Amino acid sequence: DIRMTQSPSSLTASVGDKVNITCRASETISYYLNWYQQKPGQAPKLLIFAASSLQSGVPSRFSGSGSGTDFTLSISSLQLEDFGTYHCHQSYGKPTFGGGTKVEIK
Amino acid sequence: QVQLQESGPGLVKPSETLSLTCTVSGGSISRSYLSWIRQPPGKGLEWIGYMYYSGSTDYNPSLKSRVTISVDRTKTQFSLNLTSVTAADTAVYYCARRVLGGEFDLWGQGAQVTVSS
Repeated sequence: DIRMTQSPSSLTASVGDKVNITCRASETISYYLNWYQQKPGQAPKLLIFAASSLQSGVPSRFSGSGSGTDFTLSISSLQLEDFGTYHCHQSYGKPTFGGGTKVEIK
Repeated sequence: QVQLQESGPGLVKPSETLSLTCTVSGGSISRSYLSWIRQPPGKGLEWIGYMYYSGSTDYNPSLKSRVTISVDRTKTQFSLNLTSVTAADTAVYYCARRVLGGEFDLWGQGAQVTVSS
């Protein structure tokens, strides 16, 4: 299995801050990396696919970068509605997910 | 637009079989995969397996001996069977559409399943 390691496991930031979440794969996965946002009691929602492509309807403050083993999800200006848990997911091999990053608003 | 909805018993006894159904409405999922993913309480996401619209399947190796995914002839109801359940199988179970790029772009709302006597 390809192991996905996310960091940090949680963060607290203020509205307007820039936030970065990283995801590292245990082996190279090219650009087959996807990001999801999950709010309490809800299903995950796709934000970014293929490492850097923005899913339709997702605000442009979200962006993704990276290839190979190291990837980053960035939120350029954190908004109140961005609270929740963010998950990375590799689709290069059998699907595996990172452990999640919980984002709280200060 | 296409929607997914999970249904099934919320409580299953240890050693019995967990059975859930994912109903596809508003369209078809041709040229994509119908997947099952679960999330134990307070934990991350775990892929269980998927079925391609043609009928082929693939499963998580850690669950493969206990999992079966099937579909009815109309290809609108996908079923998950997980045998010999234990408390470790307690989770929210999601069905999700995996498109050819690999991402899960559409999810059901999830079904809570508790394994307890």
